Amino acid sequence: DAKTTQPPSMDCAEGRAANLPCNHSTISGNEYVYWYRQIHSQGPQYIIHGLKNNETNEMASLIITEDRKSSTLILPHATLRDTAVYYCIVRVKRGGADGLTFGKGTHLIIQP
Amino acid sequence: KAGVTQTPRYLIKTRGQQVTLSCSPISGHRSVSWYQQTPGQGLQFLFEYFSETQRNKGNFPGRFSGRQFSNSRSEMNVSTLELGDSALYLCASSFDSYNSPLHFGNGTRLTVT
Repeated sequence: DAKTTQPPSMDCAEGRAANLPCNHSTISGNEYVYWYRQIHSQGPQYIIHGLKNNETNEMASLIITEDRKSSTLILPHATLRDTAVYYCIVRVKRGGADGLTFGKGTHLIIQP
Repeated sequence: KAGVTQTPRYLIKTRGQQVTLSCSPISGHRSVSWYQQTPGQGLQFLFEYFSETQRNKGNFPGRFSGRQFSNSRSEMNVSTLELGDSALYLCASSFDSYNSPLHFGNGTRLTVT
């Protein structure tokens, strides 16, 4: 699976939009972009995933560039509970689950 | 809908002992995978089961084993525990593992002394 690069940490003011970037310049055509987050002492939580079109759900929006070499996760109105480590993963959808490879992620801190 | 349930939440064992961890997936999910998380190595894939069969395995020694039952519940066993096995062990379930995202439990925190 393609490697991803994320900033190690980011701050965002409560109520503002949090924009988390991810670089995946070696992504191949059949690899999806997944985002998870992990709040301290809990398991990772699925947020959103996409292939090439922008996606939106009740938690977040995912913007993927046209060349698919990078993406941005947007939390539209960040709250203190959004403080967590956010992981960007690229993954092929294929039979027989390959294990997800989580990098170091971005530690997002929401400031009151 | 209940989430992924892992038991126990915390466990303390001594070197040389063995341990069994349990995972109950979300109802209807047939794939269960296991991960080890440590501060130094991050999240590492152990193995994945689908319909009682191991479909994929990570790069861990044979001391780590697992199984899945007909009701999709899964257990993971670690024999001859070492200090380095201290970690958070996470279980994740998904409907079919290649078209749906993984849903994780809150893990079992294993401490080996």
